[in-house]
Amino acid sequence: DQQVKQNSPSLSVQEGRISILNCDYTNSMFDYFLWYKKYPAEGPTFLISISSIKDKNEDGRFTVFLNKSAKHLSLHIVPSQPGDSAVYFCAARNSGNTGKLIFGQGTTLQVKP
Amino acid sequence: KAGVTQTPRYLIKTRGQQVTLSCSPISGHRSVSWYQQTPGQGLQFLFEYFSETQRNKGNFPGRFSGRQFSNSRSEMNVSTLELGDSALYLCASSLGSSTNEKLFFGSGTQLSVL
Repeated sequence: DQQVKQNSPSLSVQEGRISILNCDYTNSMFDYFLWYKKYPAEGPTFLISISSIKDKNEDGRFTVFLNKSAKHLSLHIVPSQPGDSAVYFCAARNSGNTGKLIFGQGTTLQVKP
Repeated sequence: KAGVTQTPRYLIKTRGQQVTLSCSPISGHRSVSWYQQTPGQGLQFLFEYFSETQRNKGNFPGRFSGRQFSNSRSEMNVSTLELGDSALYLCASSLGSSTNEKLFFGSGTQLSVL
């Protein structure tokens, strides 16, 4: 039972354009969502998060949108840079579960120069 | 501030052996969580420790265990290793006081079981 799904295993965009990574979830008890960036054989690096009481959060080039009714979130990267090429994971947390994140399977983003 | 430190970085074991992995959280962080990453299953939660007590547990067999010390450092032990235990084991730390906290991950221990 995969509670967090990233249906696109890979995404390729041109440098300077927008990258949109999508994530769907099934558990309505999730109240906090995070995006992490990961390189092979390294730990995930936190990018941006959003609480379920919000529908948008921005941090520089990164914006996360949350649509609770659709149980969908997306990460927008504008403009995309070659250094953004990595695997992106969305993760969700149930209220009360501080250290337990449920991760999606990841989307590999390639930004072409 | 130093990040989350995991040792060793790489480990090679044979089936049936046991292994202990170590994690030092960010100073001041009291919660330590462990995750397993495999190509087929992705990132999966193993367990979380807070103030030396296991606070949450994932769906892994009893061969996987952990503990946390008074200085918040944590160890994870896997007994009777199986080939399928080959994975990147990640440790993450946080303050542990709020559900709106981000987790900070270490670089992981790459375990290979032969």
